[in-house]
Amino acid sequence: EIVLTQSPATLSLSPGERATLSCRASQSVSNYLVWYQQKPGQAPRLLIYDASNRATGIPARFSGSGSGTDFTLTISSLEPEDFAVYYCQQRGDWPPGITFGPGTKVDIK
Amino acid sequence: QVQLQESGPGLVKPSGTLSLTCVVSDGSISNNNWWNWVRQPPGKGLEWIGEIYHSGRTDYNPSLKSRVTISIDKSKNSFSLKVRSVIAADTAVYYCARRYSGYDYLDYWGQGTLVTVSS
Repeated sequence: EIVLTQSPATLSLSPGERATLSCRASQSVSNYLVWYQQKPGQAPRLLIYDASNRATGIPARFSGSGSGTDFTLTISSLEPEDFAVYYCQQRGDWPPGITFGPGTKVDIK
Repeated sequence: QVQLQESGPGLVKPSGTLSLTCVVSDGSISNNNWWNWVRQPPGKGLEWIGEIYHSGRTDYNPSLKSRVTISIDKSKNSFSLKVRSVIAADTAVYYCARRYSGYDYLDYWGQGTLVTVSS
């Protein structure tokens, strides 16, 4: 079973700053890595799939990179609405199923 | 676009069975999709529960497999979740979500429903 770890657990930044979030897999997932954003009281929102592809309607300030075991989500310049929790996710073939990382909270400094 | 809506009791007694339904709107449940359940305990992260294909094939989280059943009702364009022998640790917001076959991500989500396990 592939385990995902995320760092840091909390990232305290100011609007306009650059955010760099990390997700590490316990074994290679190729480029099959997904990122979600979740705000309080809301369902998760798909941001990035296949490590670097933005989902429909996601602003260009969000970008994803990486392959194998190390992945990064970058928010180039934080907007007030970007302060949220971010989860990475992968889907394994065996055992089949989806796993999520523990999340990184981006809060206002 | 696809819309999903969860429904079910918000309170379940310990040792009882949690039952939820997710109705799919604006998209046939028999299309090339996997229908998922994900939960989130208060203040904690996301946990995948399992998924079902329109053929009835299911995959479950190994940690929950012995207590969980996911089923599909094509006539009602809906799918359901049952969790047996619930304990306080099953208290969570339960989400239904869609995964298009061949892809790894969940692109459409319901709003979530809080289920509390308490006597």
